[in-house]
Amino acid sequence: DVKVTQSSRYLVKRTGEKVFLECVQDMDHENMFWYRQDPGLGLRLIYFSYDVKMKEKGDIPEGYSVSREKKERFSLILESASTNQTSMYLCASSFYAKGRARGPNTEAFFGQGTRLTVV
Amino acid sequence: DAKTTQPPSMDCAEGRAANLPCNHSTISGNEYVYWYRQIHSQGPQYIIHGLKNNETNEMASLIITEDRKSSTLILPHATLRDTAVYYCIVRVGRGSGNTGKLIFGQGTTLQVKP
Repeated sequence: DVKVTQSSRYLVKRTGEKVFLECVQDMDHENMFWYRQDPGLGLRLIYFSYDVKMKEKGDIPEGYSVSREKKERFSLILESASTNQTSMYLCASSFYAKGRARGPNTEAFFGQGTRLTVV
Repeated sequence: DAKTTQPPSMDCAEGRAANLPCNHSTISGNEYVYWYRQIHSQGPQYIIHGLKNNETNEMASLIITEDRKSSTLILPHATLRDTAVYYCIVRVGRGSGNTGKLIFGQGTTLQVKP
């Protein structure tokens, strides 16, 4: 079974702290994604990566950065945590489209989420 | 990727078919329709996808209109465990030079009632 593992299920951090959220997948997927989910706003894409050291901004990248040094690991970094970053954070992975035979992108697999509270 | 429009919420009686609509009027020829669902406190789960033909798997059926501007996800015999938020997404296929970005909308909250 595909497994996407997020390092923490619950996390409490103080305002101004640097926060690292880690995500690991074991299916050799090229694509990895970070989303945040807030009531009434659905899932919003923060950043995604389509290869090692490659990244693209999503809809809400402000206040976040990412790191993809190894294919299986994608880290989300909050440089200076603020209370408005209190949220559920979800990581996902899928195969990369480019260079493959025509057809649908494979489905994305999600981790269980990290509920981050910034106090 | 094309945007989608879904009703914010729907109810369905247990054992009946749940029909969840999605409008994607700006869909282009190389975009597929995907459905995911998210049960409370879990990450989203893939259900089904299609390009222009109707599709069926063990979880659901997907009906795509001939002009591809809308689709319907059908859960043939809804159970209480199908209560979830259902997301309809359109996404370009392989070989299109895209980088695989995956954007979710607000989804439809389906409440299955006993």
